[in-house]
Amino acid sequence: AQKITQTQPGMFVQEKEAVTLDCTYDTSDQSYGLFWYKQPSSGEMIFLIYQGSYDEQNATEGRYSLNFQKARKSANLVISASQLGDSAMYFCATPNAGNMLTFGGGTRLMVKP
Amino acid sequence: DAGVTQSPTHLIKTRGQQVTLRCSPKSGHDTVSWYQQALGQGPQFIFQYYEEEERQRGNFPDRFSGHQFPNYSSELNVNALLLGDSALYLCASRPVTGASTEAFFGQGTRLTVV
Repeated sequence: AQKITQTQPGMFVQEKEAVTLDCTYDTSDQSYGLFWYKQPSSGEMIFLIYQGSYDEQNATEGRYSLNFQKARKSANLVISASQLGDSAMYFCATPNAGNMLTFGGGTRLMVKP
Repeated sequence: DAGVTQSPTHLIKTRGQQVTLRCSPKSGHDTVSWYQQALGQGPQFIFQYYEEEERQRGNFPDRFSGHQFPNYSSELNVNALLLGDSALYLCASRPVTGASTEAFFGQGTRLTVV
């Protein structure tokens, strides 16, 4: 069974600064993936970035990058140049073989002007 | 192209009642999953439907049941509602042959049980 842990219930960041959201995972699968989703107050889960366990390079998507440290079982999300619109809940997740997602408890990010 | 659409957006029910939530997947998607998200928590997987059959199920009681129609749309039914069933219910769709990265979520149905 998979488990995702997000230890930061809430984070503040100044606009235009970078912020790192932590995620640790536990899985017995040899091949696995890690997702990050953004959930604004509207409720929809918005896909941000994905990292496969065998990907040699850390994933990047625009201002989002994933700091993947396999030995530490961590997959931290880095958001560069924070914007006010980045204020939302952020979830780390991993799929099982049937693509059922296991989510962490989330981190609420608040961007200060 | 409409994404995943869920209805209704909000719902208030009384304890003991039954409720039906609906989900229309994104065009081209044939697999639908349902998640329950309690306030302040991450989503929890309920079940997944493909070819009108339940393919995977999370740790939810039999009060939670579902259905998938030939047009791939899906319903989530909850019987004998409890106060603890109050949550945001999210639907996600993807093509069965697609990777998890191709999954799209709807905006959810906020269910309040009083």
